[in-house]
Amino acid sequence: TQLLEQSPQFLSIQEGENLTVYCNSSSVFSSLQWYRQEPGEGPVLLVTVVTGGEVKKLKRLTFQFGDARKDSSLHITAAQPGDTGLYLCADPGGATNKLIFGTGTLLAVQP
Amino acid sequence: NAGVTQTPKFQVLKTGQSMTLQCAQDMNHEYMSWYRQDPGMGLRLIHYSVGAGITDQGEVPNGYNVSRSTTEDFPLRLLSAAPSQTSVYFCASSEASSTDTQYFGPGTRLTVL
Repeated sequence: TQLLEQSPQFLSIQEGENLTVYCNSSSVFSSLQWYRQEPGEGPVLLVTVVTGGEVKKLKRLTFQFGDARKDSSLHITAAQPGDTGLYLCADPGGATNKLIFGTGTLLAVQP
Repeated sequence: NAGVTQTPKFQVLKTGQSMTLQCAQDMNHEYMSWYRQDPGMGLRLIHYSVGAGITDQGEVPNGYNVSRSTTEDFPLRLLSAAPSQTSVYFCASSEASSTDTQYFGPGTRLTVL
């Protein structure tokens, strides 16, 4: 089973700061998804990256897929309290048909 | 559209008791799955189904049974609850496979004493 390690595990920052969270794998991803989970709710898909080196932007969030497709990063510019939540990367599995989640990064943005 | 619904929202069991967590979706999705989430952690796949009559094991299937008699419903059964099964359980569905956008239910918080 592929292991998806996310770092840092916890992050507490002030409103307006920038941050980057990372997702690393022991093997190559077929593709990679990023989810955000708010307290008391299920995860919600933010983006899917497919091609090595791909960069996708979603407002103040920038997602990058590593050239070798073994890692990915999520960068948030000028964080806001509404960005608070658990950020999860996930391997959709392709042929295995199993969506496997990473360990998660818990982000708290203080006003 | 209700999306993915889960019942109950909260449940407390004693060790050894059995129960069924319900999951239903009204989007005519073929792929459905169950996850558990322990405090401060990511989600771990318990079981999944690619269509009515077809189920398969995920990462942590022991202690859980599933069946898929209809497209809409995917119940999760705990035959003999253990304290290690205390967790938040999420059901999800997608159009056809694990690579499609997953839509999650609101979760069931289970405590086993």
